[in-house]
Amino acid sequence: DAGVIQSPRHEVTEMGQEVTLRCKPISGHNSLFWYRQTMMRGLELLIYFNNNVPIDDSGMPEDRFSAKMPNASFSTLKIQPSEPRDSAVYFCASRTSGGVDTQYFGPGTRLTVL
Amino acid sequence: DAKTTQPPSMDCAEGRAANLPCNHSTISGNEYVYWYRQIHSQGPQYIIHGLKNNETNEMASLIITEDRKSSTLILPHATLRDTAVYYCIVRTSMTTDSWGKLQFGAGTQVVVTP
Repeated sequence: DAGVIQSPRHEVTEMGQEVTLRCKPISGHNSLFWYRQTMMRGLELLIYFNNNVPIDDSGMPEDRFSAKMPNASFSTLKIQPSEPRDSAVYFCASRTSGGVDTQYFGPGTRLTVL
Repeated sequence: DAKTTQPPSMDCAEGRAANLPCNHSTISGNEYVYWYRQIHSQGPQYIIHGLKNNETNEMASLIITEDRKSSTLILPHATLRDTAVYYCIVRTSMTTDSWGKLQFGAGTQVVVTP
């Protein structure tokens, strides 16, 4: 069981550049979540999908952020253009629908925007 | 979902039981209590959840008071690897067609010392 896979694990980029974070959920899970964690704001939910459909994107900070889930095994979170305040650890999580809310988190992507 | 209150930090000696309190005085009848933890530089990890009755699994025990306004997570024999931030979260149960958000607060930083 590979768990939730995220790539890259670390990303350093310059302000204004486009950043794409990737996530592969656990096979068979049909809900996927993107979180952001910073020291100041803690762990925040950005967006979540159910059966590849975005359900709630109210946590997405602004239009520079976008997320897609083209199929059940892949999702991306894109930031364009990136800003220094976007520096954070971004986590992806997945779970099955129904029942208890046991989310399985990936190892995260540490993003640094210079 | 109801709000939770946890102490910001606590220490525990290795091999001893760690008792982590959580207050959720505004919890409603259909809200579960979930516990997650986050070891440094890793994604959060599900520990246990409960509604009314006490629960136990291989990781921990969860004691919920009769009025459900507070709960305690018990790590029976703390090890150094249990050093982490522990999050207490309350939310409604999931049904097949419903979903929701895990609202992570600041949690309790637990440090297990030799």
